[in-house]
Amino acid sequence: EAQVTQNPRYLITVTGKKLTVTCSQNMNHEYMSWYRQDPGLGLRQIYYSMNVEVTDKGDVPEGYKVSRKEKRNFPLILESPSPNQTSLYFCASRQGLATNEKLFFGSGTQLSVL
Amino acid sequence: RKEVEQDPGPFNVPEGATVAFNCTYSNSASQSFFWYRQDCRKEPKLLMSVYSSGNEDGRFTAQLNRASQYISLLIRDSKLSDSATYLCVGGVNNAGNMLTFGGGTRLMVKP
Repeated sequence: EAQVTQNPRYLITVTGKKLTVTCSQNMNHEYMSWYRQDPGLGLRQIYYSMNVEVTDKGDVPEGYKVSRKEKRNFPLILESPSPNQTSLYFCASRQGLATNEKLFFGSGTQLSVL
Repeated sequence: RKEVEQDPGPFNVPEGATVAFNCTYSNSASQSFFWYRQDCRKEPKLLMSVYSSGNEDGRFTAQLNRASQYISLLIRDSKLSDSATYLCVGGVNNAGNMLTFGGGTRLMVKP
């Protein structure tokens, strides 16, 4: 089944403790992206990647890192999480680079930083 | 001002009603437009793309007005299962090929 898989689904952590949220897609998609969703603000893009070893900042990259060493995986790394990073996170992918292609989302990760 | 703006609602409508949402966008370079549906705390799913000439998919009709920079979604004969948040999305084919999401409009269809 074609899908985007992200883990964990829920995560509670404390300020400053490094964490990684994994994202994997099995559709051989070129483009992958991370979003965070906060009430009233919609989805905001954190980082995106157009291909292996090609990543770039989105609208809200501060406090986050990503890597794209393999085409299928695009982990989101929080080196030193802070409470303002408490949010619902979504990984997404699409086949090509054009914005008129369908975006496939993972099922989300609810992160709480205490 | 947000790049993509929507009325957050909620829109409370009875089953069988027709309901319409509008969404305005500020980036005149936007070329691609979509409506996504999101159920509570779940991932967004593509409902339909929006084409310049307008397009229909069953009970759903989407329209684009480039001159006034807004898109709309019309839902006819609302079902209880249509209750969800509808996200308006605009895309620009630039170096980042970014999509900009609106904050969403919440629809609640009541029996």
